[in-house]
Amino acid sequence: ELKVEQNPLFLSMQEGKNYTIYCNYSTTSDRLYWYRQDPGKSLESLFVLLSNGAVKQEGRLMASLDTKARLSTLHITAAVHDLSATYFCAVYPKSGNTPLVFGKGTRLSVIA
Amino acid sequence: NAGVTQTPKFQVLKTGQSMTLQCAQDMNHNSMYWYRQDPGMGLRLIYYSASEGTTDKGEVPNGYNVSRLNKREFSLRLESAAPSQTSVYFCAREPQDRATNEKLFFGSGTQLSVL
Repeated sequence: ELKVEQNPLFLSMQEGKNYTIYCNYSTTSDRLYWYRQDPGKSLESLFVLLSNGAVKQEGRLMASLDTKARLSTLHITAAVHDLSATYFCAVYPKSGNTPLVFGKGTRLSVIA
Repeated sequence: NAGVTQTPKFQVLKTGQSMTLQCAQDMNHNSMYWYRQDPGMGLRLIYYSASEGTTDKGEVPNGYNVSRLNKREFSLRLESAAPSQTSVYFCAREPQDRATNEKLFFGSGTQLSVL
């Protein structure tokens, strides 16, 4: 059974600082997704990572995937208040047609 | 969240009442999902449907039924609502091909309170 763990679950960081959110998963996969959720809203897709070594960047966020380590990272550079949200990673197992499995999410607060 | 339409957006039920949450997609994709989201628990899969006429249980199916009568619609029914079913419910449609850059696309959610 695929398990997806994120850490930290809560993160309070100062504006201008850098930080990384980690997503570990328990079985082989080469498809990983990052989503953002603002309070009271639905989930918005940020990144789709489809192969080992994949790196994608948008603005102050950069996501990477290491399928051998079963690890994805979401790096935040020079945080700003607008990045405050909950971030989820989600993984498909490599084999079979089973559904996407989500981590519990990382609630990020960026403070002045 | 055009692409996946959920109704209603808000609902309050009394314990024991029944209701159906509706979900419709506009892309004719095969797979659709129902998740519930509770504080600190992330998203948990209730049921999913890989194609029209087929459904499978997810992680937390107890107390729910689903129906996929056609490719476009996937409904979630609570036959006898319980306070433990107070949650935010999300419907989603999957990319037609997982190997692409498409992603799971979510509806706007239904906030359900059971008193």
